[in-house]
Amino acid sequence: GAGVSQTPSNKVTEKGKYVELRCDPISGHTALYWYRQSLGQGPEFLIYFQGTGAADDSGLPNDRFFAVRPEGSVSTLKIQRTERGDSAVYLCASKPTGSGANVLTFGAGSRLTVL
Amino acid sequence: AQSVTQPDIHITVSEGASLELRCNYSYGATPYLFWYVQSPGQGLQLLLKYFSGDTLVQGIKGFEAEFKRSQSSFNLRKPSVHWSDAAEYFCAVGAGNSGNTPLVFGKGTRLSVIA
Repeated sequence: GAGVSQTPSNKVTEKGKYVELRCDPISGHTALYWYRQSLGQGPEFLIYFQGTGAADDSGLPNDRFFAVRPEGSVSTLKIQRTERGDSAVYLCASKPTGSGANVLTFGAGSRLTVL
Repeated sequence: AQSVTQPDIHITVSEGASLELRCNYSYGATPYLFWYVQSPGQGLQLLLKYFSGDTLVQGIKGFEAEFKRSQSSFNLRKPSVHWSDAAEYFCAVGAGNSGNTPLVFGKGTRLSVIA
């Protein structure tokens, strides 16, 4: 596609529910990143994929958070047993193949609200 | 590990006035440095980047930034601010020896523009 697409743009859920957030990167971008942006903060790294595999998941806050990218394109961020503290904007970004530096293109984000 | 400090949480400038947003980074080697802008409800848009070479880099929308290694700084400047520049600005640093290392972002500076 022309840009990084994220769905849903807004998600309201209740505490304890399961949530999936989807990211469709720019076609051909092999590297895909998830960030979380809490109110008044900068984006914080969660996980990144190189192809289908998670190359670095050191930013995932706990084992309630999980992400997959089974075919090396679309990625899904999964949050189990959501808590109010999970409320944030979840940003996805992708990077051109072969780029020597991390010039990321970001999507508009998925705003998650946990009641 | 890299880190970024943006000392100013909120800045207000008059339309037509000059602007400088401060950014200090911490990284033991040559960094990749970026400025992104985020308008309300939008994703992050890349303004400019520094990889190597000329320490004064030009970006979009009339912005520029200067890399000063001795001060570990990468301040963003614009000679004449327009009302449409009101937004949140984020400085980010990446590891210069690895194209895929996730970017680390500062907490951002919110720019307000008054008439």
